[in-house]
Amino acid sequence: SQQGEEDPQALSIQEGENATMNCSYKTSINNLQWYRQNSGRGLVHLILIRSNEREKHSGRLRVTLDTSKKSSSLLITASRAADTASYFCARSGSRLTFGEGTQLTVNP
Amino acid sequence: EAEVAQSPRYKITEKSQAVAFWCDPISGHATLYWYRQILGQGPELLVQFQDESVVDDSQLPKDRFSAERLKGVDSTLKIQPAELGDSAMYLCASSLDREPDTQYFGPGTRLTVL
Repeated sequence: SQQGEEDPQALSIQEGENATMNCSYKTSINNLQWYRQNSGRGLVHLILIRSNEREKHSGRLRVTLDTSKKSSSLLITASRAADTASYFCARSGSRLTFGEGTQLTVNP
Repeated sequence: EAEVAQSPRYKITEKSQAVAFWCDPISGHATLYWYRQILGQGPELLVQFQDESVVDDSQLPKDRFSAERLKGVDSTLKIQPAELGDSAMYLCASSLDREPDTQYFGPGTRLTVL
């Protein structure tokens, strides 16, 4: 069963805008990861944040983690058309458990 | 850059037929995973191998699905007989022992059961 809930399910923005996606989970985690999936392709690992970290950056990506609220957010700044993809959070416990994903569309 | 290889990329079969998918992980990755991803959902783990041993197959429908990794390198996932509900993307991933939390995914096999 899916253990991560993502919000929104779909997001459409213009190029240059920022995109924020949220993820909530139900049980304790070792770490939380974000993956990107282009249509019909495999997943690409974006960033991992450990349970004792609150914020992490990688290029145009910023991830936050609030373990008290059991939630995480992924911010993509200055979005590009090439960022159009589905984004999944994944909780790391005994196995990697993915959420339902957010479909991001960046319009040129 | 090393990648996880999967074949075939697409497979169309009729229900009750047998299908098999192949995965070759990144060289040196001891852990191999098979996931099923239904359209519009996230991937769900079917089976996890550590070298040639199964470490987690709790979500694998064992009445019709089987997986093997005989030499601890490449792996095969089989479905026999296929059912309509098996239509999905089947993803293979691998990871290093020292970085088990970072998984590298192959392009997947899109299965359509008619």
